[in-house]
Amino acid sequence: EAGVVQSPRYKIIEKKQPVAFWCNPISGHNTLYWYRQNLGQGPELLIRYENEEAVDDSQLPKDRFSAERLKGVDSTLKIQPAELGDSAVYLCASSPASGGEQFFGPGTRLTVL
Amino acid sequence: GESVGLHLPTLSVQEGDNSIINCAYSNSASDYFIWYKQESGKGPQFIIDIRSNMDKRQGQRVTVLLNKTVKHLSLQIAATQPGDSAVYFCVGIGSARQLTFGSGTQLTVLP
Repeated sequence: EAGVVQSPRYKIIEKKQPVAFWCNPISGHNTLYWYRQNLGQGPELLIRYENEEAVDDSQLPKDRFSAERLKGVDSTLKIQPAELGDSAVYLCASSPASGGEQFFGPGTRLTVL
Repeated sequence: GESVGLHLPTLSVQEGDNSIINCAYSNSASDYFIWYKQESGKGPQFIIDIRSNMDKRQGQRVTVLLNKTVKHLSLQIAATQPGDSAVYFCVGIGSARQLTFGSGTQLTVLP
């Protein structure tokens, strides 16, 4: 069974540029999560989806970050415009149901210059 | 959410020795704890979990101990191998079912 797929794996951009990350969860998993992981720290939740509905986006910086999961399957996380402090690894995870075991993808490492 | 922390940011052990990674938590309402392993360049991977009504759970080469009196968890890895080198996170889960990660402990296995 394929795990959580994320692309790209690495992205380098200049500040003020837009960037987007894509995630395809494990088939059949209704719950999808986006996390940000700063260097030397644990992941921090940005947003959680139940099917296509964002049920927890309290930690998402809404002035520059946006996310969507239009058909309740794959998801896109966007930053526009990117800032230097956005450099981090962005992880996607999915679970069969809310509160269930989360399976993480390999992450996208973003570097903002 | 849960607030968890780890006693040591780094731990080095000799290959073949046992490893013990400790974690303290603050929210006594957490009813479920998970240990995750994160290798370089990869996402966190589930290792073992334990419910708050248990004090010990064993897996393959790993044991988790929970002491609710002092709000402390530990992960014991038997016969540590080079492949065990990674960052380990303890995660507490409360009623909101949200994972709260601490900063992790970097385990290095020495040859």
